[in-house]
Amino acid sequence: ETGVTQTPRHLVMGMTNKKSLKCEQHLGHNAMYWYKQSAKKPLELMFVYNFKEQTENNSVPSRFSPECPNSSHLFLHLHTLQPEDSALYLCASSPGKTGLPTQYFGPGTRLLVL
Amino acid sequence: ELKVEQNPLFLSMQEGKNYTIYCNYSTTSDRLYWYRQDPGKSLESLFVLLSNGAVKQEGRLMASLDTKARLSTLHITAAVHDLSATYFCAVEYNFNKFYFGSGTKLNVKP
Repeated sequence: ETGVTQTPRHLVMGMTNKKSLKCEQHLGHNAMYWYKQSAKKPLELMFVYNFKEQTENNSVPSRFSPECPNSSHLFLHLHTLQPEDSALYLCASSPGKTGLPTQYFGPGTRLLVL
Repeated sequence: ELKVEQNPLFLSMQEGKNYTIYCNYSTTSDRLYWYRQDPGKSLESLFVLLSNGAVKQEGRLMASLDTKARLSTLHITAAVHDLSATYFCAVEYNFNKFYFGSGTKLNVKP
């Protein structure tokens, strides 16, 4: 149990669908992250939020839209995705500028785009 | 953009043997992380290395960092089957921007 939960754990969607991934951390951390893990690529950082403010957008296509309403919750809104977006999407949190900079990862959402 | 290279990408070893995984990175950074991922599971933090010459040990694993050489190593001593997993290094650049290596898939044969 890492203290970071993600829902859903599995998601199948068509290219015209709209869906959202949810991440919640129970660790009192101030920073949250979205990563994409594909089979043939290194783990890719997508977005970073510090104290609810987006501090990093790693050239992610606009069909991925993050939302961070508070320091404990992070969403990734998906629309008009492509088959190449199929991957494992991992959420992580860390203390931020205070505390040891260790990231804690959630279990991930495995996404399949048809 | 920072590049992080791990080698080997695949490692099959016998129980009881020693081996080292290497992590090279292209741009100056003082923060390097090692993670473990079991099949179908998420990433688990193993070590955080925050300065040149840092060495951390936990059980049969020991990690070190040489920031001048831009190199970190993960040394496995007397491997056991339970260490079979994929190991990732990650470099932090410009606070909170993390670049991961491709991972080393370790298989320890009984």
